[in-house]
Amino acid sequence: DTEVTQTPKHLVMGMTNKKSLKCEQHMGHRAMYWYKQKAKKPPELMFVYSYEKLSINESVPSRFSPECPNSSLLNLHLHALQPEDSALYLCASSQDYNEQFFGPGTRLTVL
Amino acid sequence: KQEVTQIPAALSVPEGENLVLNCSFTDSAIYNLQWFRQDPGKGLTSLLLIQSSQREQTSGRLNASLDKSSGRSTLYIAASQPGDSATYLCAVRPNNQGGKLIFGQGTELSVKP
Repeated sequence: DTEVTQTPKHLVMGMTNKKSLKCEQHMGHRAMYWYKQKAKKPPELMFVYSYEKLSINESVPSRFSPECPNSSLLNLHLHALQPEDSALYLCASSQDYNEQFFGPGTRLTVL
Repeated sequence: KQEVTQIPAALSVPEGENLVLNCSFTDSAIYNLQWFRQDPGKGLTSLLLIQSSQREQTSGRLNASLDKSSGRSTLYIAASQPGDSATYLCAVRPNNQGGKLIFGQGTELSVKP
């Protein structure tokens, strides 16, 4: 199984809502990542977890809160987002820091 | 600061052509380089990973080379097909920065039937 899954595929939320994005992999990878991608731009790294510990936070606003409950699961909790946070949110995983495998993404729209 | 540049930004070719996509990076202190393709609105699909000690990698019609000293990588696609139409991204993993990838802006490829 070389798949990274993400749910939901699409999410529309208001600026006062709280929602969560979910990412799962069963490849035994111990590094997991969150990226944000705007249209016609490359992905931008947000967070890196290594062995379930947060190792990199790219100065992401606190309205984005990551969580890694176990080695297979990665969540991104969203609260009080702004319209400019609308983007494709991508999850990835890798064995150590080698080849990264990406999920299909969650298309987020903030109204 | 590592910067990654991809040229050209867009490319349109007729079906059957062989083509080369270019990627350059400013700092040769990299752990590896990865090529991806992305279809519109979709996630990234890993095509090839080249470790810093390697010169090239091949997968089917794809061949990627790496010249670390000159800060260049190329992705060669043989006998292009309409299904190859997508955006191609290269990304370098700098040394000593965890798993962070630095991406180029991508090359948007269109293969016409």
